[in-house]
Amino acid sequence: EAGVAQSPRYKIIEKRQSVAFWCNPISGHATLYWYQQILGQGPKLLIQFQNNGVVDDSQLPKDRFSAERLKGVDSTLKIQPAKLEDSAVYLCASSLDEKLFFGSGTQLSVL
Amino acid sequence: GENVEQHPSTLSVQEGDSAVIKCTYSDSASNYFPWYKQELGKRPQLIIDIRSNVGEKKDQRIAVTLNKTAKHFSLHITETQPEDSAVYFCAANDYKLSFGAGTTVTVRA
Repeated sequence: EAGVAQSPRYKIIEKRQSVAFWCNPISGHATLYWYQQILGQGPKLLIQFQNNGVVDDSQLPKDRFSAERLKGVDSTLKIQPAKLEDSAVYLCASSLDEKLFFGSGTQLSVL
Repeated sequence: GENVEQHPSTLSVQEGDSAVIKCTYSDSASNYFPWYKQELGKRPQLIIDIRSNVGEKKDQRIAVTLNKTAKHFSLHITETQPEDSAVYFCAANDYKLSFGAGTTVTVRA
């Protein structure tokens, strides 16, 4: 079974620039999540999709972060403009039931 | 929302000894408690989980216990091996999954 695919693996940008991350979930998984993991901390949920609808985006900084899941499969997460404190690993996960399967993440460094 | 606290933040054990990590949660509605292992530079991987209608679950050298009354759950690793060295995260699910801050486990050879 193929896992959750994410790209890019690493990204370095300057503050105020924009960046986008892509995620392809495990085939058949209706629920997709984006988590932010700051070094030394546990993952924090940014947004949760059920098919192509948003279930929870209460912790998404909507002034700079946006996410979409067109056609209920792939998803993109965008940051515009980036701040220094956005430096983190962005993890995508998908689930069929309550068990989450994570991708390898995108390590973002904002300089 | 759910608040999950995890202790200790770091744990060093001698190979062959046991390791115990404890977590508490705040929302009595939480009904699913997974544990994830994250090796350096890799993705978090589910190692064991427990639902609120079960008090204990074992899988080879790892076990999880749940005390719903006290709202805490624990991960037990027996006969630790060097490959058990990693960061371990607990989590609790009310309507969304909230993670603890993690425990860095180091197994000394």
